Amino acid sequence: QQQVKQSPQSLIVQKGGISIINCAYENTAFDYFPWYQQFPGKGPALLIAIRPDVSEKKEGRFTISFNKSAKQFSLHIMDSQPGDSATYFCAASGRGYQKVTFGIGTKLQVIP
Amino acid sequence: SAVISQKPSRDICQRGTSLTIQCQVDSQVTMMFWYRQQPGQSLTLIATANQGSEATYESGFVIDKFPISRPNLTFSTLTVSNMSPEDSSIYLCSVESPGTDTQYFGPGTRLTVL
Repeated sequence: QQQVKQSPQSLIVQKGGISIINCAYENTAFDYFPWYQQFPGKGPALLIAIRPDVSEKKEGRFTISFNKSAKQFSLHIMDSQPGDSATYFCAASGRGYQKVTFGIGTKLQVIP
Repeated sequence: SAVISQKPSRDICQRGTSLTIQCQVDSQVTMMFWYRQQPGQSLTLIATANQGSEATYESGFVIDKFPISRPNLTFSTLTVSNMSPEDSSIYLCSVESPGTDTQYFGPGTRLTVL
């Protein structure tokens, strides 16, 4: 049973465009929602994270939008660059040493 | 954030042998986690390792196949035993930053079993 559904699985965006990756969760006990960025041959690196008490969090070109009632959250990458080409994983966990559940991943390619 | 190193970074092994992967963290952490990431796939939790107690394994993973040691608060090992080609994956350790709910990952060990 996939508790965090992520889409799309692959995404091609032109340089300067907006990349949007969506995730939906089922477990209402989740209260921490990180996004990870993984380059080939590397471990996942934390990109940005949000808790349900806010609807949006922005860090540079990266923004998380969170809709608690719909149990959905999304990552927006503004002004996408070729260097953003990587696999992105959304994730969810409960408070305090709870198992992290990962989405299936989105392979993003930003073309010049 | 924690700095995590893993050894080896990659290895090619023969069927039926075992490989031990080491994970070292630059700070003391209570919980360490071991994940498997098969090619092109997401991360699957193998087990959670607490210092001073037996590791807790997820469904589908057993101690005989993936024995784990956690001798202190900065180090853990994962052994992949009696390997088969199906064990070819990236193995990742991670730690949870105390009080933050954030997990940080090591660089991974890329294992190929022939």
